[in-house]
Amino acid sequence: NAGVMQNPRHLVRRRGQEARLRCSPMKGHSHVYWYRQLPEEGLKFMVYLQKENIIDESGMPKERFSAEFPKEGPSILRIQQVVRGDSAAYFCASSPTGSPMVEYFGPGTRLTVT
Amino acid sequence: SQKIEQNSEALNIQEGKTATLTCNYTNYSPAYLQWYRQDPGRGPVFLLLIRENEKEKRKERLKVTFDTTLKQSLFHITASQPADSATYLCALPSNAGNMLTFGGGTRLMVKP
Repeated sequence: NAGVMQNPRHLVRRRGQEARLRCSPMKGHSHVYWYRQLPEEGLKFMVYLQKENIIDESGMPKERFSAEFPKEGPSILRIQQVVRGDSAAYFCASSPTGSPMVEYFGPGTRLTVT
Repeated sequence: SQKIEQNSEALNIQEGKTATLTCNYTNYSPAYLQWYRQDPGRGPVFLLLIRENEKEKRKERLKVTFDTTLKQSLFHITASQPADSATYLCALPSNAGNMLTFGGGTRLMVKP
């Protein structure tokens, strides 16, 4: 059973460009979470999605950031008009339905904004 | 608001000793608590889950305690090895129960 897959692993964008990060959850998992981790800082929750639904986006910046988890295909975290402060590691996690909730993390996408 | 505190300073110990990491929380009444390990450049990996009605849980050289009165969990690694060097994160379900909130993590360095 393949783990959580994220791509790309490394992404370099110039200021003002768009960044698109992809996450394929583990097979059978219907819950997807996105986190951001700045250097030397902890994991900060961004958004929680189920298929075709955003359940909780309380950690998502109000502007430029959006996320989706379509019926088919991976979950996408989109950052428009990137700025240097967006440089971070972005982790996706998935969990199966039900509680308790153990989250299985992907390897992360390291975004660098130049 | 809900808060999870882990010692932000690195813990340095000698190989073979027991490492003890602390996780304190406020404004939570969690049904369970989890511990994860994170290596540099990698995603966190789940280690252990302990429920509110369990005082202690063990897995190989790992032991976790959960004191809901003190609002504290202790994470122990016995007979520590250099390969145990990593950052250890505790996590609690949000009060809504629909996601996990992570502490800032404690970095453990085990010296040979």
